[in-house]
Amino acid sequence: QSALTQPASVSGSPGQSITISCTGTSRDVGGYNYVSWYQQHPGKAPKLIIFDVTNRPSGVSNRFSASKSANTASLTISGLQAEDEADYYCCSYTSTTTLFGTGTKVTVL
Amino acid sequence: QEQLVESGGGVVQPGTSLRLSCVASGFSISDYAMHWVRQAPGKGLEWVAVMSYDGSDTHYAVSVKGRFTISRDTSKNTLFLQMNSLRVEDTAVYFCARDVRGGWFDPWGQGTLVTVSS
Repeated sequence: QSALTQPASVSGSPGQSITISCTGTSRDVGGYNYVSWYQQHPGKAPKLIIFDVTNRPSGVSNRFSASKSANTASLTISGLQAEDEADYYCCSYTSTTTLFGTGTKVTVL
Repeated sequence: QEQLVESGGGVVQPGTSLRLSCVASGFSISDYAMHWVRQAPGKGLEWVAVMSYDGSDTHYAVSVKGRFTISRDTSKNTLFLQMNSLRVEDTAVYFCARDVRGGWFDPWGQGTLVTVSS
């Protein structure tokens, strides 16, 4: 059960767009459309921002979008804002196990 | 309002046991799969265990299998995590989370800190 691979850090200036990758295998990311993304601010619980690869829950900004190609999922944050500075985790679910990504720290310059 | 509140964390010695609780409000845990996820200090999220919506099926991470047991009391709408033979590496904040469908975790509890130290 190895964690999904994410870049340790990504940064951008306000207003810019950034993309975070999440690489797994055909047994997890590539094999199911159950990829979700979570945002976590320091000292807080994770918050769901994307489910089922591309869908945003009600109340989540449309500046967050996501996609998947083969064994790699991606999260894009458009129009970067100071409040987007946080840790981001991808997650791949199967019926018997769940894998989280290694996490990406997003810094707004 | 749908909410989860964990409790039961604390400081324990290696080899001992601890039971965490997660009380749900605003929904019935009998309607959803429920998970435990942990986060070691300064580290990423690690999935720990899941119980199916009907309580008939459980699965565990390799790192805790045979030592941790997930269970529930539907009359109290409460999820539990019994942790035995605790190790220093089990030190983490433990979160419970509802699985809305297919790994869609929402909401999460605020977490409870477990520290295993001699």
